[in-house]
Formats: sequence, structure tokens, C-alpha cells
Amino acid sequence: GAVVSQHPSWVICKSGTSVKIECRSLDFQATTMFWYRQFPKQSLMLMATSNEGSKATYEQGVEKDKFLINHASLTLSTLTVTSAHPEDSSFYICSASGLQLNEQFFGPGTRLTVL
Amino acid sequence: DAKTTQPPSMDCAEGRAANLPCNHSTISGNEYVYWYRQIHSQGPQYIIHGLKNNETNEMASLIITEDRKSSTLILPHATLRDTAVYYCIAPRNFNKFYFGSGTKLNVKP
Repeated sequence: GAVVSQHPSWVICKSGTSVKIECRSLDFQATTMFWYRQFPKQSLMLMATSNEGSKATYEQGVEKDKFLINHASLTLSTLTVTSAHPEDSSFYICSASGLQLNEQFFGPGTRLTVL
Repeated sequence: DAKTTQPPSMDCAEGRAANLPCNHSTISGNEYVYWYRQIHSQGPQYIIHGLKNNETNEMASLIITEDRKSSTLILPHATLRDTAVYYCIAPRNFNKFYFGSGTKLNVKP
């Protein structure tokens, strides 16, 4: 099956710093990647959709200047949380889909803790 | 997305079949039904998807009613490792997945 990796798997940072999370499709070309956020005991919330070489499309209520998304290649998308604050602490999960757009494959997630 | 409704939790005895229902009464004709599961602190895992016909793979079977307003995911022989939150999703625009609350399946010995 298709494999999606994320790096790092967990990160702790100080308030005010920026954190970059990488999402890679290991064995297929991801034309579209998605970023989700999940708070404890809650469901996944779609943050944004990115297509390779295009600007990301953000869901309503998600600050695009705070959550910078880059999808520069068919195998890599990055999410940068800028000026992180404790309320940004969450589980961030990416997914990717290829030419067969109806399937998404999810990464293992990145747990961000902002002190 | 078509709105999906799932029971918040279900119990199943180990070795027995787990039947997880999902209501998607507002689904349109070209919307697939997907099932994913999430084991604690991991990314969601794809299980199965279908449009009209029933589907089966090595993990599960998906039964979709003729009117497509509901479906049932069947895990034929549940094990303790199947304990997870199961999500039924019917995406519409651009394959965006909007997750509901899902069903917490508890498989008990």
C-alpha cells in the first residue's frame, strides 16, 4: 500500500518560535496533500489542501499566515507553524492522494507541544 | 460532504463479527463512502471504500444499501487490535475529508 511519512514524530518548542513539519509520500506521486489537526479526544479537522506547485487552500477559520504550507514537489509538503503558542499544541496529520484522487493515505502524525 | 451519522461507541467480543453502521441519507449519486480507522495516537488507516456495490478486501466488507442512504462495515473476526475509532466519510468536493465523531469500537476478550 501507499506509504506516507511525517517528520518529526514529535516536537517540543518554546512559545514564539516556528516549527516545520514535513510530509512525504514514499512510493507514489502525491498530486494533492492535506493537513489536519486533532485536539485530544476530538476528531480530525481539515486545515488545508495543497496541490503540487500551487498555493494551498485553507479551510474557514484557519489562519494562512500562521500555518504556512508548501507543496513544492510531488513527494513533499511542509507545514510551518509560525510564532507558535501553547494553543497550537496539537496532533498534526497529513495525508496524500495521487492520480486516483478518491483515496487518501495518512501519515503517522506529528505531536506538537508548545511551552 | 454528505453528513454521516455513526453511533458513538460499540462493543464486540473477540473473534466475533463487528458490524459498524453509518447513516449517510444525504449522499449524492457520485459520492463514494469511505471507511478509515484510527488507533490511539496514530494517523488514520484506510480500510475500504465503495460507491454502489458491496466491497470486500482483506480487512473488511462494506455493505451499502440499495438506496445508498446507509452502509455497514463488517470486520468478520474482530481481534483486540481492531479496537479503534472508525470513521465513515462521504466526501464531495475535491476529495476533501471532513471527519465526524466516528464510532469507538471496543473489542473485548
